[in-house]
This record gives sequence, C-alpha cells and structure tokens, in this order.
Amino acid sequence: AQKITQTQPGMFVQEKEAVTLDCTYDTSDPSYGLFWYKQPSSGEMIFLIYQGSYDQQNATEGRYSLNFQKARKSANLVISASQLGDSAMYFCAMRGQAGTALIFGKGTTLSVSS
Amino acid sequence: SAVISQKPSRDICQRGTSLTIQCQVDSQVTMMFWYRQQPGQSLTLIATANQGSEATYESGFVIDKFPISRPNLTFSTLTVSNMSPEDSSIYLCSVEAGTAFFGQGTRLTVV
Repeated sequence: AQKITQTQPGMFVQEKEAVTLDCTYDTSDPSYGLFWYKQPSSGEMIFLIYQGSYDQQNATEGRYSLNFQKARKSANLVISASQLGDSAMYFCAMRGQAGTALIFGKGTTLSVSS
Repeated sequence: SAVISQKPSRDICQRGTSLTIQCQVDSQVTMMFWYRQQPGQSLTLIATANQGSEATYESGFVIDKFPISRPNLTFSTLTVSNMSPEDSSIYLCSVEAGTAFFGQGTRLTVV
C-alpha cells in the first residue's frame, strides 16, 4: 500500500527566508509521481510541483524546488525567499501509474511573518 | 493542463436534504476523481468516475449516500444525500491532464 507522511504540523518562517517542508513516502510501485499542493484558506488546491520517480533531476518551478531522495523515499519541498502570501496549508501527495487517484499526507501549515 | 469549474463554491444546507455539486472541465478527460476534506483534515478519495460506467467507490463511501454521474468526458456531478452535520466538508473534484488539477472546491456546511 502507498503512504505519505508529513511530520511537521506547523512551520514558522520569516519573510525572505527559505523553508523546507518534509515529506516521506512508501510504495512498492517502481513508477510513481509525487506532488505538492498549496491550499490557502479559500480551500482551493493549487498545484506547485511534480516529480516523477524516474526523473533524474530535482524538479523546480520558480521559487519552489523538490528535493527528491529516492533511496531515502523523501520528497521535501523547498520554498526560497518566503513571502507573506505563502502562508497556507501544504500537502504532499503521491500516485502510482498515471490516471490513478492521489493519496495525501496530513499537511503542514506554513506561517510566514514579516 | 486543465481548467475545472466547480459549482457551487459554498452552501449551507439543512440536515436531511441533498446537494449536487457540478464539475465542468475544459477538455476531455477519462477519469474524474471526487475527494472529501473534513475540517482540519487531509483529502480522502470518495470515488473515481469513468465515463460510461458506474463510479468506483472507496471503502467507507457508498453510492446511495454519494451518487455520481458522468454523462460525458467533460462533466461530472456528485450528490451528497440525506445530509447530516458530519457531512460538513470541502468537496473537490480532480482530473489528470499532464498533472493532477483540482476544481475550486465546494465548502458545505450542514445545519
């Protein structure tokens, strides 16, 4: 069975600092995908970044990068130069083969202060 | 990519009534997924909707409570039936189009 673990219920960071949100996963599938989403208080799920299990390089999208360590089964999200608007809930998620549903971690609440 | 329009964005309903949530996608997709997010919790898959066949429900979710329609490749509805306060949640639809995209969510409060 697949499992996603986010061990940080809450993280606090100051503006312009970098922050790492932890995510570990467990799966027996050789092919899988890892996702990070941001959920502001409005409730929408905003896609941030994706990493495929066969991707050799870590994914990056603007200020977001995914630190993918396959042997350790970790997929941490790094946000560089935090902004006040980054304050939200962040979810790590995984799916097996393409076209299947995601399973989610419990989420991490990020609070950015000025 | 895909753009998903989900309606309504929020509603307050009386217990014992039903609410139908709609999701319209701007492109044809094979699978649509419905999730529930209870207050302060993570997302849980309710069911997978494939066009032309009955939806596949996850453990703990039944068709009588959460009937789903999928009449074509761009549209789906989820009905929350005979609602109780425990059904108060955010309901989200999702599709995969390159990556997994979500509708804006429906915030349901049952009183």
